[in-house]
Amino acid sequence: GDSVTQMEGPVTLSEEAFLTINCTYTATGYPSLFWYVQYPGEGLQLLLKATKADDKGSNKGFEATYRKETTSFHLEKGSVQVSDSAVYFCALSKNTGNQFYFGTGTSLTVIP
Amino acid sequence: DAGVTQSPTHLIKTRGQQVTLRCSPISGHKSVSWYQQVLGQGPQFIFQYYEKEERGRGNFPDRFSARQFPNYSSELNVNALLLGDSALYLCASSLGTGEAFFGQGTRLTVV
Repeated sequence: GDSVTQMEGPVTLSEEAFLTINCTYTATGYPSLFWYVQYPGEGLQLLLKATKADDKGSNKGFEATYRKETTSFHLEKGSVQVSDSAVYFCALSKNTGNQFYFGTGTSLTVIP
Repeated sequence: DAGVTQSPTHLIKTRGQQVTLRCSPISGHKSVSWYQQVLGQGPQFIFQYYEKEERGRGNFPDRFSARQFPNYSSELNVNALLLGDSALYLCASSLGTGEAFFGQGTRLTVV
């Protein structure tokens, strides 16, 4: 079945460090790929998305490229801030409505 | 515009009881989905409804049921609660495909 595998955390970085969170997926067909972020005590917020191979999603300095050949959608940011501390979820959708398959999440803590 | 609203925000139930969770989607959104997020895990898909019809069901027992009303709001019902049903229940709404908007969830504790 369809699934998403995420790099396990927690991840702790110093402010201005480079961030990579790995995500790979297994799916039939051509899924759309997403990164959602969850701040403490809140629901999920869409961070970025890509709907087809080689697309790059970007938002708030975060980027991820849909790599069909490696079935990956790794999240990157060049310089993290304390305010980026949150849990990040990689997800896929088969465009059959808002049915998402989520990874287990990666907790990020950025220290000053 | 109001976002996705869920009620209640927290509740505590006893094993064997039944619970109903409610979700109001963003105005104009006709699709509602439900997810269960156990502490430390990613959300797991439970149901999707579109235009009041069930469009998808995840791997959950029949104790879980849902429905969507003519105004597109939705209810999730769980019968015969188990300790393992303790989780954050998230509702998401969308126009049908693509981006989904999530509510802040209902934290259910079963004791």
